[in-house]
Amino acid sequence: AQSVSQHNHHVILSEAASLELGCNYSYGGTVNLFWYVQYPGQHLQLLLKYFSGDPLVKGIKGFEAEFIKSKFSFNLRKPSVQWSDTAEYFCAVNAGEYGNKLVFGAGTILRVKS
Amino acid sequence: EAGVVQSPRYKIIEKKQPVAFWCNPISGHNTLYWYRQNLGQGPELLIRYENEEAVDDSQLPKDRFSAERLKGVDSTLKIQPAELGDSAVYLCASVSGHSSYNEQFFGPGTRLTVL
Repeated sequence: AQSVSQHNHHVILSEAASLELGCNYSYGGTVNLFWYVQYPGQHLQLLLKYFSGDPLVKGIKGFEAEFIKSKFSFNLRKPSVQWSDTAEYFCAVNAGEYGNKLVFGAGTILRVKS
Repeated sequence: EAGVVQSPRYKIIEKKQPVAFWCNPISGHNTLYWYRQNLGQGPELLIRYENEEAVDDSQLPKDRFSAERLKGVDSTLKIQPAELGDSAVYLCASVSGHSSYNEQFFGPGTRLTVL
């Protein structure tokens, strides 16, 4: 069965610090990879996604993620975080057949101190 | 464009009671999902609809959970009877088309507390 592992459940950073959230998945075939974010009091929304081509994907609000196939990883990065990046971040993998079936990681809660 | 609408937002019931959740997807989205999110975990798929057909309900606990999507638009998820372990956030999501890389749009969820 597919599984997604997120390395840290809680991360606390000061503003302007760099961010990297780890994500590893277990599936040997073709995958589509996603990062979703949930800001306090809001619903889940897409941050960025990868399905083919350039393994370095850029998303909204200055976030990017790199797909490393050999490591089964899709880590999320941001060079300089802001207080408004405080949220919960979920990595998700779609390795299903026809149709969408996302498998989510447990999430990482990021708190940015101002 | 209106997003995915869910109601109620919060529900508190006693165990063994029935409960129902309602979802209205984004207009034109033919694929609808119900997820359950337990505390400290990511969402887990319960059931996926393509129009009015349930195409993946392998993770739906069918002894107590049921769902329907009449006319391929709104959907209702029911639990009867509820158990303590059903306390969670129930999320509805919808997507346009069938591609595995299309974005899923999520509703705000219904937070269920079973006492």
